[in-house]
Order: sequence, then structure tokens, then C-alpha cells
Amino acid sequence: DGGITQSPKYLFRKEGQNVTLSCEQNLNHDAMYWYRQDPGQGLRLIYYSQIVNDFQKGDIAEGYSVSREKKESFPLTVTSAQKNPTAFYLCASSDRDRDFYSNQPQHFGDGTRLSIL
Amino acid sequence: AQTVTQSQPEMSVQEAETVTLSCTYDTSESDYYLFWYKQPPSRQMILVIRQEAYKQQNATENRFSVNFQKAAKSFSLKISDSQLGDAAMYFCAYRRIGGAQKLVFGQGTRLTINP
Repeated sequence: DGGITQSPKYLFRKEGQNVTLSCEQNLNHDAMYWYRQDPGQGLRLIYYSQIVNDFQKGDIAEGYSVSREKKESFPLTVTSAQKNPTAFYLCASSDRDRDFYSNQPQHFGDGTRLSIL
Repeated sequence: AQTVTQSQPEMSVQEAETVTLSCTYDTSESDYYLFWYKQPPSRQMILVIRQEAYKQQNATENRFSVNFQKAAKSFSLKISDSQLGDAAMYFCAYRRIGGAQKLVFGQGTRLTINP
């Protein structure tokens, strides 16, 4: 079955440490996204990529970095510059709109919960 | 920038009854998409229903339907014959047409189903 795989499910970060969250999709989708979810809040966009080797900042990109070297992979690095990294992180992907009004929905992974040690 | 507001942090309903979740949004665009996503305790995000702003007819998916009021910028979700499996966080989301397919989410409404 096609889908999005996020790993690990739980991750702990020490002070001053960078950690990388994995996101892999086998849906052959062009676009991929990273969202952050804090308790009692909606999802906020961190980074997104519409095509391989290209990505853009979302609303809360500070302290995060990404790469898109392969179509199926979009890893997120939480750097030591992100002072409040404790949150639930969701990766999503979507197919390119076939035409202006084709409305391709986003598909989500199961998420990674990141905590500070 | 577009914003999405869900003014009901929590709602509850008796099993088999009907409940309506509210959502308002702000945009200067004339064409866009709106979505309702469900997030059960497993934390998966599941698409419930979607609406294209250029369609006047309200979308329906089995027990789920929307009341889309474009002039009022309102997009409510009605769940009929509520079931225990409907218990979840529900998020309203907005997406503009064309360009990057970024979603803007509301804060969410936690729905409890009372047996």
C-alpha cells in the first residue's frame, strides 16, 4: 500500500544537539510538507517542497532545515537554534494539481513526537 | 495572509445525535479550497470532506456534510447520526488555488461522543 512513513515515532533531543526526522513517501507525489503541532493548537507549516532540489520556508522555519535530494524523501533537521522543539511533527505529501482546479488533497504520515531530555 | 478560526475548543454530542462544528476564515481570494480533517487519538490526519469555493453546492460524504457560506466566510461541518468512532480533534483548513498547496489550519475542535 502506498503511504507516508515517518520515523522515529518518538525522539528525544539533548541540549545543543541537532536531530533529524525522517519522512518517506511512495505515492509518487511531487510536493511534500512539514508541519508542527503544539498541544491544543492547529498545525503550522515549517517548510515545503514542490519539486526535487527546491524548498521554501513556511510560517515557522527558524531553527529548522530541510533537504529534498530525492522525490520520495524530505527529512527535517531540528537544530540547536530551535529553543522550544517539543512538539508533534507531521509530514505530508500531495500530487501536483493536474489543472488549476483539480484540488489534490494532502496525505499525512503518522507523526513524530519530539521531546527535550 | 489567510487565517482560519475555530471558535469551539470542545464540543460533545450524544451518540446518534447531530452536531455542527464551526469554522470561519479570512481571505481576499475569490477561489480557494476548504477542508475538514479528523485527528483521532492515534494522531493520524484523515481527510473528512472538501469543498471548492467556486461550487455553490455543499459537499457531502455519507454522514458528513458542510454548510458553506462564501459571503460570510463560514464553513461548518455537520455530523449526523454521531458514532463513538467520530470522537477526535477536527481541523478546518484553507488552501488557495494554484501555486504551492499549503494548508492553513484552524486551532481545532475536540469532539466527544457520549454513549
